[in-house]
Amino acid sequence: AQTVTQSQPEMSVQEAETVTLSCTYDTSESDYYLFWYKQPPSRQMILVIRQEAYKQQNATENRFSVNFQKAAKSFSLKISDSQLGDAAMYFCAYRSRGYGGSQGNLIFGKGTKLSVKP
Amino acid sequence: GAVVSQHPSWVICKSGTSVKIECRSLDFQATTMFWYRQFPKQSLMLMATSNEGSKATYEQGVEKDKFLINHASLTLSTLTVTSAHPEDSSFYICSARKAKAEQFFGPGTRLTVL
Repeated sequence: AQTVTQSQPEMSVQEAETVTLSCTYDTSESDYYLFWYKQPPSRQMILVIRQEAYKQQNATENRFSVNFQKAAKSFSLKISDSQLGDAAMYFCAYRSRGYGGSQGNLIFGKGTKLSVKP
Repeated sequence: GAVVSQHPSWVICKSGTSVKIECRSLDFQATTMFWYRQFPKQSLMLMATSNEGSKATYEQGVEKDKFLINHASLTLSTLTVTSAHPEDSSFYICSARKAKAEQFFGPGTRLTVL
C-alpha cells in the first residue's frame, strides 16, 4: 500500500522569504499523481499544485514550485515570497493513475502547519 | 471552476438522533464522490467512495450501518450519521471528481453531538 510522510509537523517563515515543505512517499507503482493541498483556517481544501509522475519537469504555479525526485520518492513544495495568506495546513497527497476499485483515492500525509511571520 | 457545496456547514444534534449531510457538485457531473472525516489537527481520513447509482465502498473500520451514503445522482451525495453519539463529533468533508480528473472539495460540515 502507498504511504505519504510529512516529517515537519510545523514550519515557520518570515513574510517575503522562501520556505520548503518536505514530503516523501512510498509506492511500487511507476505512474501516479502527486499533489499539494492547502487548508486555511476556513478548512476549505485548496489544490496548490499537481505533478504527474511521468513528467520529469517540476510543476510550478506562480510562487509555488515543487522539487520532484522520483527515484528518491520525494516531493517537496517551495513557497517563494511568502505572504500572510499562505499561513495554513499543507497536505501532500498521492493518487494512483488508475480509477478502478480503490484506485484514484487520494492518500494524504499528516500535514505541515505553516506560520508566516509579518 | 468546479464548485462543490455542502449543507449544512455546521450542525448540533442530540445523542441518538440522525443527521444528514448533503454534498453537491454545482457545475459539473461527478462520477465519483468521496467522504472524509477530519479530527482536529489531523489529516483527512477517507471514509467511503461512492459512484452514482451504486453502493458505496467503505474503508476498513468504517461502519456501513452507521454512516449511510447515498449517491442518488451525478450531482448529489448524502451522508447520514445514524444514532449519532458524541464520539461521532468531527469535521466531515466531501469531494467530487469528474471522470479522470481532479477532486474538488466541499467546504466541510462540522458535526457536534451533545
